[in-house]
Parts: sequence; C-alpha cells; structure tokens
Amino acid sequence: AQKVTQAQTEISVVEKEDVTLDCVYETRDTTYYLFWYKQPPSGELVFLIRRNSFDEQNEISGRYSWNFQKSTSSFNFTITASQVVDSAVYFCALSELGAGGTSYGKLTFGQGTILTVHP
Amino acid sequence: DGGITQSPKYLFRKEGQNVTLSCEQNLNHDAMYWYRQDPGQGLRLIYYSQIVNDFQKGDIAEGYSVSREKKESFPLTVTSAQKNPTAFYLCASAPGAGNTIYFGEGSWLTVV
Repeated sequence: AQKVTQAQTEISVVEKEDVTLDCVYETRDTTYYLFWYKQPPSGELVFLIRRNSFDEQNEISGRYSWNFQKSTSSFNFTITASQVVDSAVYFCALSELGAGGTSYGKLTFGQGTILTVHP
Repeated sequence: DGGITQSPKYLFRKEGQNVTLSCEQNLNHDAMYWYRQDPGQGLRLIYYSQIVNDFQKGDIAEGYSVSREKKESFPLTVTSAQKNPTAFYLCASAPGAGNTIYFGEGSWLTVV
C-alpha cells in the first residue's frame, strides 16, 4: 500500500526566510504521480504541482521549487523568500496508476505541514 | 466561471438524520471524488467515480452513499450509520487517470 509522510507538523519562519517542506513516499509501483497542494485558511485545496515518476528534473516556478529524488523517495518543496501570504497547510500526495490505469488518480495524502510566516 | 461548486458551505445535522452534500462541476471532467478531512489530519478518500452511473468505495466508505446520475454531479449522503460525521468534506474532479485533481471549496458538517 502507498504511504506519504510529512514529518514536519508545523514550521514557523520570519518573512523572507527560505523554507523547505519535506515529503517522503512509499509505493511499490513504478508509475505514479506526486502532487503538492496548498490549503489556506479558507479551506480550499489549491493545486501547486504535479510530477510523474519518470521525470526527476527539479522544477522552479517563481519563489517555489521542487526537488524530486527517486533514489530517496522524496519530493521536497522549497519556498524562497517566504511571505506572510504563504502561511497555509501544505499537503504532499501520491497517486498510483495500476494496470490499465485502474487506480484512476486516487490520492494518498500526507498529514500536512502547517507553515506560519511571521512579518 | 469553470470550477467545482460545493453546497452548503456549513451544515448542521442532528443525531440520526441523513444529510446530503452537493457537488457540481462544469469542467467536463470524467472522474469525481469525495474526501474527508479531520482536524490536523490529511484527507481520506470516501468514494470516487470514474464515469456516469459507476462509483467505487474508497478507504472510509462506511456510513456514506453517493450517486453519479449526471457527469457534472456527484452528491454525497452522510447517513445516520456514520458514527462520527463531524468533519470537513471536499469534493474533487479530474479529467482522467493521471491528471491533476482539482478541489472544491469544501463543506463543514457538524453534528449537534
């Protein structure tokens, strides 16, 4: 069975600090997708990134960057120069695709990391 | 605007009552999902549907029921059999397998 672990329950930083959120996953499949979502106080989950298991290139999008390392089963997320608006709960999630895509995108979520950015 | 609409945002249920949470999407997505979130925890899958008139149980389906009579609609009924229904419920949809799953704004259900 798949599992996602976000070991950091809460992180508190001061504005403009860089912060890295850790995500470690377990799966027996060779084909899978990894996601990061942001949940602001309003409750809606906002999609940030999707990465497939065959693409280990790191990605940068503005102040956000992601480091996918298949060898260590990790998919870490870094926010550079954090801002107060980055305060939210961040979830890492794993989607497996079984034979013929039968899993159809069901997500297994980590417990989430609460990020608080202080002014 | 395209998106996923959940209603109501807040719902109170008395013990022994069934309640239905609405989820509508106008994204033309094939797949739809219901997740439950408890305070300080991640999301857990209740039910999912890959196509109209078909749905499968997720990890915590007991005490819940769904229907998928139309592509754009996937209502969730929380029955009296659900012993601890107070939670935040999130509906989601996706174009298909391997695609990004998008979420609605969620519904808060409280048992009083």
